[in-house]
Amino acid sequence: AQSVTQLDSQVPVFEEAPVELRCNYSSSVSVYLFWYVQYPNQGLQLLLKYLSGSTLVKGINGFEAEFNKSQTSFHLRKPSVHISDTAEYFCAVKTTNYGGSQGNLIFGKGTKLSVKP
Amino acid sequence: DAGVTQSPTHLIKTRGQQVTLRCSPKSGHDTVSWYQQALGQGPQFIFQYYEEEERQRGNFPDRFSGHQFPNYSSELNVNALLLGDSALYLCASSIRQGTGELFFGEGSRLTVL
Repeated sequence: AQSVTQLDSQVPVFEEAPVELRCNYSSSVSVYLFWYVQYPNQGLQLLLKYLSGSTLVKGINGFEAEFNKSQTSFHLRKPSVHISDTAEYFCAVKTTNYGGSQGNLIFGKGTKLSVKP
Repeated sequence: DAGVTQSPTHLIKTRGQQVTLRCSPKSGHDTVSWYQQALGQGPQFIFQYYEEEERQRGNFPDRFSGHQFPNYSSELNVNALLLGDSALYLCASSIRQGTGELFFGEGSRLTVL
């Protein structure tokens, strides 16, 4: 069975500092990987996704993530954060063997990023 | 192009009552998934509908049921509400033959008293 572990429940950081939000997954088959962001009282918005190809994926708002198959990780990074990046971030995994959208996304418990001035 | 829309945005019910939540998928999407997000937790998969049939189900009791209509919109019904059903219910749409990327609505926040 698949699972997703987000290693940090809360990450405080100062504005303009770099940040890394960690995500590890467990799956015996090939996967698609996603990062979503959730602002207070809102739904989830896709930041970026890894489907295949280059292991370094760039997303919206200056975020990027690197897929590491040997370490089963998909850490999210941003070189310089803004106050507006304060939100909760969710890592999610979906196996590819279902094909199309037949499989469902499995989410981690989330990491709350708090950017301080 | 309208995204995923959900209604109502907020509602309050008492234990034992029943609730129906509604979702309209993003234009061009044919698959609807429902998730429950309890406070401080990640979204948990409830079920997925395609071609008006439930295709996959997560670990939720049969008090949770759903429906998909010919226009791809969907409903989530919860019977015999418990205090523990209080959560944000998220609807997500996707394309059946796509990569699994989900587009989420803003959610319906259910409070059970």
